[in-house]
Amino acid sequence: SQTIHQWPATLVQPVGSPLSLECTVEGTSNPNLYWYRQAAGRGLQLLFYSVGIGQISSEVPQNLSASRPQDRQFILSSKKLLLSDSGFYLCAWRGWGLSYNSPLHFGNGTRLTVT
Amino acid sequence: RKEVEQDPGPFNVPEGATVAFNCTYSNSASQSFFWYRQDCRKEPKLLMSVYSSGNEDGRFTAQLNRASQYISLLIRDSKLSDSATYLCVATGGSQGNLIFGKGTKLSVKP
Repeated sequence: SQTIHQWPATLVQPVGSPLSLECTVEGTSNPNLYWYRQAAGRGLQLLFYSVGIGQISSEVPQNLSASRPQDRQFILSSKKLLLSDSGFYLCAWRGWGLSYNSPLHFGNGTRLTVT
Repeated sequence: RKEVEQDPGPFNVPEGATVAFNCTYSNSASQSFFWYRQDCRKEPKLLMSVYSSGNEDGRFTAQLNRASQYISLLIRDSKLSDSATYLCVATGGSQGNLIFGKGTKLSVKP
């Protein structure tokens, strides 16, 4: 069966510090991978998605970047965090070739607080 | 116009009640629809897909009206454990990415 791992679970970082969140998927090949953010009291916002190694699409302009160095690894980064980057960050995967009809499966999420 | 809109909630209902959530989506090209459940401070989890003919999973019934671009979720015989936020989801965009509503919070009271 497929599993998705995301870490760390919680993170407190000062403004201006860098960020690296990592996500890995097991049990599937060539998944579509996603990063979402959920700010307090708000809905899920799609940040980035990737359909393959090195292929990154950004949905909104922001202070963040994403990379996919390996098939089942997805990384969210920032060089300098802003207060507005605080939120609940969720990595998700979806089966390749079934994208239009298949649901997303989320990792446990990382709760980031920028102070 | 928001892409996926839901009842603002919260819904506070007694155990055993029937509760209905409604949702509308703006993209007429959306092909797939889902309901997710999100517990407090947890990740969203798939509750059920929504099929054109309507579908049922135990106490949960989902319906889709493509003409009205409307999705619904009915929960019968509510349990305390049903308390959560329910997210309506539709596909959109060139990659069929999932667009989430903001969710409706349900509290089931004893």
